[in-house]
Parts: sequence; C-alpha cells; structure tokens
Amino acid sequence: GAGVSQSPRYKVAKRGQDVALRCDPISGHVSLFWYQQALGQGPEFLTYFQNEAQLDKSGLPSDRFFAERPEGSVSTLKIQRTQQEDSAVYLCASSLAPGIRGEQYFGPGTRLTVT
Amino acid sequence: GNSVTQMEGPVTLSEEAFLTINCTYTATGYPSLFWYVQYPGEGLQLLLKATKADDKGSNKGFEATYRKETTSFHLEKGSVQVSDSAVYFCALSEGNFGNEKLTFGTGTRLTIIP
Repeated sequence: GAGVSQSPRYKVAKRGQDVALRCDPISGHVSLFWYQQALGQGPEFLTYFQNEAQLDKSGLPSDRFFAERPEGSVSTLKIQRTQQEDSAVYLCASSLAPGIRGEQYFGPGTRLTVT
Repeated sequence: GNSVTQMEGPVTLSEEAFLTINCTYTATGYPSLFWYVQYPGEGLQLLLKATKADDKGSNKGFEATYRKETTSFHLEKGSVQVSDSAVYFCALSEGNFGNEKLTFGTGTRLTIIP
C-alpha cells in the first residue's frame, strides 16, 4: 500500500521567502509528526497532531514555523521568512493510533535549502 | 529532558564481521527504545523495538536488549552483509497517551565492504 508521501522532495528558497511543505500520511493514521533533520544529525521533533488537533508544538524553533492538519489527514508545515539556519530535511511520520509507541512510518523527507 | 547518545561513526566492517553499535539513553520515566535504519536513498524505517526492561527486540538478524540498569540498548548482529550498509539511529519514546514523539541519537553510518 501507499506509504507516507511528502512534497516537494527538494525546495530551494531565497532568504526571506515563505515555504510550504506537504505531508500525506498513510490513510487512516491518526497520529502525525513533523521532524527536522540537520545534516549529519538525528531527526528532532517539531510538532504532533492527533487527527486535526495539534497536541504538541513544543519543538517548533520559532514563531516563523506553523503547522496545520485541518481535516485530520494531509498536513502542511509552513515556514515564514526563511533563514539559512532553516536549511534541513523535514520529515513527516504517521502512526495508526496513539499509544503505539514508536511505530511511526516516515516519509522520504523534503530537503530545504535556503540561499 | 530525554536524550540518546550513540556510538559515533562512521563504522566500516568486512562482510561477516560482528557488529555492535552502542546506544545509551537518559529519560525521566520508562521509555520504549528503538532502532531505526535509513538505507541509501530511502526513508527511515523501524528496525526493532523494546518496550520494557529486559525485552529483546530482533529483526533481520539484528538484536538489541533493553538494559535498564545500564540505560543501554546496544545493537548487535553476528554476521553483517553488504546490504546492511546504512545509517542506524537509536531512539526513545516516552510518550504518554497523545505524545509519542521520538528522541533520536545522531546516527551511526555503517559501511560493509565485501
């Protein structure tokens, strides 16, 4: 079956531009996570949704980062006024239901480069 | 807060060698522990997990035992293959209901030479 998909796979933005990254989770998956992975590092948690509710946004690095999942399926991570330090791979993951610790299915990621 | 420390790479081994990648963790409660793997050009995949102390996770010949006394979850394989070349991430989840975010280590790049 279809896995988690993300688009675009690559994005180059000039400093100061706004970007929107899309995640399509596995159909029926309740939980959705966003992570940021800098080069040579492990992924770091950004935010978590359970259906359409954003239950944890403690990892968002600044108020320039905003995420939504309005209908409980597709999610968008938006970064306003991009900065060079935002350059990273942004990973989306979904899991079937809360309580299934760690069984998250990851998408291929969006590599964002801010020039 | 929670953290995961894993063996720095890169690690290069010959085919059929024994593999150990060390992982230790710090957590305030009783986390579940995981190894994720990222093969070249692919996304992160769950390799194995253990949810409580003394549990052993295993998959594809890899094993890791949850050691609460040493706060460790070392990854082992008795005989590696070229196809095991990948980046391996140790991770923990201390998720209370509704908050199962993963905390990852920095990753260990493994290269197996024939």
